[in-house]
Amino acid sequence: GAGVSQTPSNKVTEKGKYVELRCDPISGHTALYWYRQSLGQGPEFLIYFQGTGAADDSGLPNDRFFAVRPEGSVSTLKIQRTERGDSAVYLCASSLRLGGRATTGELFFGEGSRLTVL
Amino acid sequence: GQQVMQIPQYQHVQEGEDFTTYCNSSTTLSNIQWYKQRPGGHPVFLIQLVKSGEVKKQKRLTFQFGEAKKNSSLHITATQTTDVGTYFCAGSGIYNNAGNMLTFGGGTRLMVKP
Repeated sequence: GAGVSQTPSNKVTEKGKYVELRCDPISGHTALYWYRQSLGQGPEFLIYFQGTGAADDSGLPNDRFFAVRPEGSVSTLKIQRTERGDSAVYLCASSLRLGGRATTGELFFGEGSRLTVL
Repeated sequence: GQQVMQIPQYQHVQEGEDFTTYCNSSTTLSNIQWYKQRPGGHPVFLIQLVKSGEVKKQKRLTFQFGEAKKNSSLHITATQTTDVGTYFCAGSGIYNNAGNMLTFGGGTRLMVKP
């Protein structure tokens, strides 16, 4: 597709349930990012993939959160035993630029997946 | 860890007035990006600054990167109602793993009264 696609757009779940959020990046973009945005706040970094591998997962809040990108394209963010505090908009972004210390490529964000944990 | 702070958090202006948002990092940055997020939307890239003291302009928007590469500003001249939204700065640190992790500020929400 033309842009970053995220599904579902909305997810309501109960506390303790398992959730998967999917991100389909722009074709050809090797870098993929997951951010979490709570109401009135800036996006909070979770994890960054370069190809299939997680180059930086330092933002994952705890071991209930896990993300994969098995073929270097689509990524899935998995949340186990959801808690009410996990409620937020989960943003995925992709970038054409490879990792490097000089510059960071422009991030193209998807519309986000709004997660509500009751 | 790296922290990026923005002020003010909110700004109400009358249409036609100028607007400035400031961004400060706790660590030296390799580059800084600015994004705009409309209400209900997702962040959209505006610009990237890389060089110390760099100034870039996009029509009524002027972006500046500080000499020490720890602060940045966005100035909008003669605001219009279409400028409404939240403006985020996002910095990439020199010593980040893989060099590409962007840390976002809290954003400045701009409201323009017609």
